[in-house]
Amino acid sequence: KQEVTQIPAALSVPEGENLVLNCSFTDSAIYNLQWFRQDPGKGLTSLLLIQSSQREQTSGRLNASLDKSSGRSTLYIAASQPGDSATYLCAVWWGKLQFGAGTQVVVTP
Amino acid sequence: EAGVAQSPRYKIIEKRQSVAFWCNPISGHATLYWYQQILGQGPKLLIQFQNNGVVDDSQLPKDRFSAERLKGVDSTLKIQPAKLEDSAVYLCASSSLWQGRSGNTIYFGEGSWLTVV
Repeated sequence: KQEVTQIPAALSVPEGENLVLNCSFTDSAIYNLQWFRQDPGKGLTSLLLIQSSQREQTSGRLNASLDKSSGRSTLYIAASQPGDSATYLCAVWWGKLQFGAGTQVVVTP
Repeated sequence: EAGVAQSPRYKIIEKRQSVAFWCNPISGHATLYWYQQILGQGPKLLIQFQNNGVVDDSQLPKDRFSAERLKGVDSTLKIQPAKLEDSAVYLCASSSLWQGRSGNTIYFGEGSWLTVV
C-alpha cells in the first residue's frame, strides 16, 4: 500500500532556528514529491517539487532533499521566521497525488 | 492570472440534507481535481477529471457523492444525503494536461468548508 507519513505532527521552534521537516513514503517508484504549505482557512500552496531523478531542490530559504532508496524526503527552512508558521504537507505522485497528514509548525518570536 | 475559484466558502447543513460545491479552475487547465480534507489529515483525492472525462474516481463514495465537469471547464461536487462524517474541507485543484500527468504545479483553491450537524 502506498502511504506517506510525516513525523512529528507538530513542531514549535524559536525564531531564527532552522526547521527540519521529515516525510517518509512506502513505495520508491515515485514520479515526483512535492512540499506544500497550508495556512489556516486557506488552500495549499506548492513550495517545491522534486522529480524522481533529482536529489534536491532549493528556493530561497527552502531546501528539499529526496532519497528514494530509503523512502525519505526532508524539507529544510533556514533561519525561521514567525511568518513560516503554517502546516507543511508532503505529497508523493504515484500516478495520483498522495498526501501525508502534515506537520504543524509554530515559530515563536 | 486568476486562481482556482470555489464557492461557497462555508456551509452548514443538517444530516440527510444535500449540498453542492462549485469550482472554476485556472483558465486553460485541462485537469481538475476534487479533494476531501478532514481536520488533522492530509487531502484525499475524490475525483480527477481530464477535460470533461473522469480519470480516477476510485475513492469517491458513489452512493452519496457525485461530480460533473460540463464542457471541460467548471465543475460541481454534490453530496446527497450528507452524513456527519462528511464534515470536511472540499478542495478543488487544477493543472495543465502534461503537468497533471507528471504531478507538476498543481494549484489549489481555498476550499469549501462543510459542517454537517
